[in-house]
Amino acid sequence: DAKTTQPNSMESNEEEPVHLPCNHSTISGTDYIHWYRQLPSQGPEYVIHGLTSNVNNRMASLAIAEDRKSSTLILHRATLRDAAVYYCILIIQGAQKLVFGQGTRLTINP
Amino acid sequence: DAGVTQSPTHLIKTRGQQVTLRCSPKSGHDTVSWYQQALGQGPQFIFQYYEEEERQRGNFPDRFSGHQFPNYSSELNVNALLLGDSALYLCASSAQYGEWLRPGANVLTFGAGSRLTVL
Repeated sequence: DAKTTQPNSMESNEEEPVHLPCNHSTISGTDYIHWYRQLPSQGPEYVIHGLTSNVNNRMASLAIAEDRKSSTLILHRATLRDAAVYYCILIIQGAQKLVFGQGTRLTINP
Repeated sequence: DAGVTQSPTHLIKTRGQQVTLRCSPKSGHDTVSWYQQALGQGPQFIFQYYEEEERQRGNFPDRFSGHQFPNYSSELNVNALLLGDSALYLCASSAQYGEWLRPGANVLTFGAGSRLTVL
């Protein structure tokens, strides 16, 4: 399984944008980039995914580098409820399992 | 939509005992996966069930076994419990196996987990 590298922790302020980086230099052409987050005392929650183009949904935006070796999850206006561990995961199309790394623990200050 | 439901939410066992955890998938999902999450770590894949068969397995010993029922619900069984089995056990469901071939279809819905403590 291709691996991802994320900072262990990040901190931001409420109502400010947050950019969570992820490096995946060994990504292959068939790997999708998925982001999940895990709030305290809950299971992981799907956030967003993409292949080559930038993606937007109601939760976040995903910016993918042109060479696909890195990506950034963007929370446009962080709230206290966005405090969680964020996981960047590569999934081969048709794959059946997620390989989680350590993720980034995001702290939001009021 | 009830999402993925797991039971029990918490349980305490002693070494050597056996435990059974249960999972009901999200409505419309028929594939169930199980993950183990030790404290402070990311979840680790145990195995996946589809059409009542184990389809993939992670690096876990045979003490870990599972079952999927015709209604798509699933059980995780762990025999001869060890202290190191203490963890949060997560169940995740997804769309039918064939759906994974559709670009971007492979999204999992997780339950809140069952917290197992082995003393």
